[in-house]
Amino acid sequence: GAVVSQHPSWVICKSGTSVKIECRSLDFQATTMFWYRQFPKQSLMLMATSNEGSKATYEQGVEKDKFLINHASLTLSTLTVTSAHPEDSSFYICSARVFRGTSGRTSYNEQFFGPGTRLTVL
Amino acid sequence: GESVGLHLPTLSVQEGDNSIINCAYSNSASDYFIWYKQESGKGPQFIIDIRSNMDKRQGQRVTVLLNKTVKHLSLQIAATQPGDSAVYFCAETYSGNTPLVFGKGTRLSVIA
Repeated sequence: GAVVSQHPSWVICKSGTSVKIECRSLDFQATTMFWYRQFPKQSLMLMATSNEGSKATYEQGVEKDKFLINHASLTLSTLTVTSAHPEDSSFYICSARVFRGTSGRTSYNEQFFGPGTRLTVL
Repeated sequence: GESVGLHLPTLSVQEGDNSIINCAYSNSASDYFIWYKQESGKGPQFIIDIRSNMDKRQGQRVTVLLNKTVKHLSLQIAATQPGDSAVYFCAETYSGNTPLVFGKGTRLSVIA
């Protein structure tokens, strides 16, 4: 259980075009999804937190107008890279959060990761 | 031995030896920690986790140690195999209620 898929797994596009990446939770519902970006030989950096039915929360330095996030259902979030440029080339990884229970006043969640999407902008 | 490159430090070990990968986490409020393995071109793969009420947890061939005093995690891999070659990241969160924040990562290279 708790499988997260991404589509496409890789994409090559021309500079100036827009690219949409889909993230799906296959066997569970995720009220919250996260988008990460990873440049070569670096760690995963959180871009934004997406809650179903509401606007995404972007991390500092991430342009919300460039990286459009839509979380229309409990199993699907999309990231659209608008007017992509070569510096947007990166590995984009989504993650979905599942509620696991509570202990006292603390609730516990788990995050599951997708396989990533390699974006190359020419 | 360990070397620090431009971005990811690399740990090279002989096949069959034990590996120790270290991580410093940043938020003293974090209470849940996970080690991930990432192979080239793939997403992070869960290895082992530990909550802050523990200082050690063992899995199959892997052990995680947590030192909250100095905000330090380590991952020990016993009898390292070529298939263990990958990049390893630690990640922290507050009970999973905050997004996972990843450490810088270490590349493990196993020499056959």
